Amino acid sequence: DGGITQSPKYLFRKEGQNVTLSCEQNLNHDAMYWYRQDPGQGLRLIYYSQIVNDFQKGDIAEGYSVSREKKESFPLTVTSAQKNPTAFYLCASSVHKGQDNEQFFGPGTRLTVL
Amino acid sequence: AQSVTQLDSHVSVSEGTPVLLRCNYSSSYSPSLFWYVQHPNKGLQLLLKYTSAATLVKGINGFEAEFKKSETSFHLTKPSAHMSDAAEYFCVVSLSGGYNKLIFGAGTRLAVHP
Repeated sequence: DGGITQSPKYLFRKEGQNVTLSCEQNLNHDAMYWYRQDPGQGLRLIYYSQIVNDFQKGDIAEGYSVSREKKESFPLTVTSAQKNPTAFYLCASSVHKGQDNEQFFGPGTRLTVL
Repeated sequence: AQSVTQLDSHVSVSEGTPVLLRCNYSSSYSPSLFWYVQHPNKGLQLLLKYTSAATLVKGINGFEAEFKKSETSFHLTKPSAHMSDAAEYFCVVSLSGGYNKLIFGAGTRLAVHP
């Protein structure tokens, strides 16, 4: 099956800890994205990557970091600098950067800070 | 600046009755527009997309949307609601040029009653 997988599904973190969320795709897509979703709001872009070894900040990158060492993988680290990390995190990918290319979404990771 | 406004945060319908979810957009360019659906604690699934071809777009599960440039609208409709349609729906505009950035509306939660 082709698709995007995210792990874990649920993640709990103590304040002051860094945590890494996994995102893997086997769709052979060049571009990958990380979004944050809060209740009653649309998705907000954290980081995106158009190609391996390259990534750019989105609208709310502070307190987050990413890497793109392989085409199929785009892990997100939520650092202790992120003031309010409790949220639902969604990873997505697309064929390339064209305007009409749909993004395919993973099932999400729900992060809760204790 | 490009933006998306979903005019209703909640819509409630009875099973078998029509569904109308309203979306207005603001765009300096000819936009690409999408509707995505999200079931609880799941990722987003593409329902349909408009990319400057036919103004009436048919999607999955009996949904369709009409692009009206004069009204800057892209409302989502379905003739007869099913219980399985209960979910959150997002209207999305894609920025032209550069990377494939999506601007999300805040979402409309659709409830379907027996």
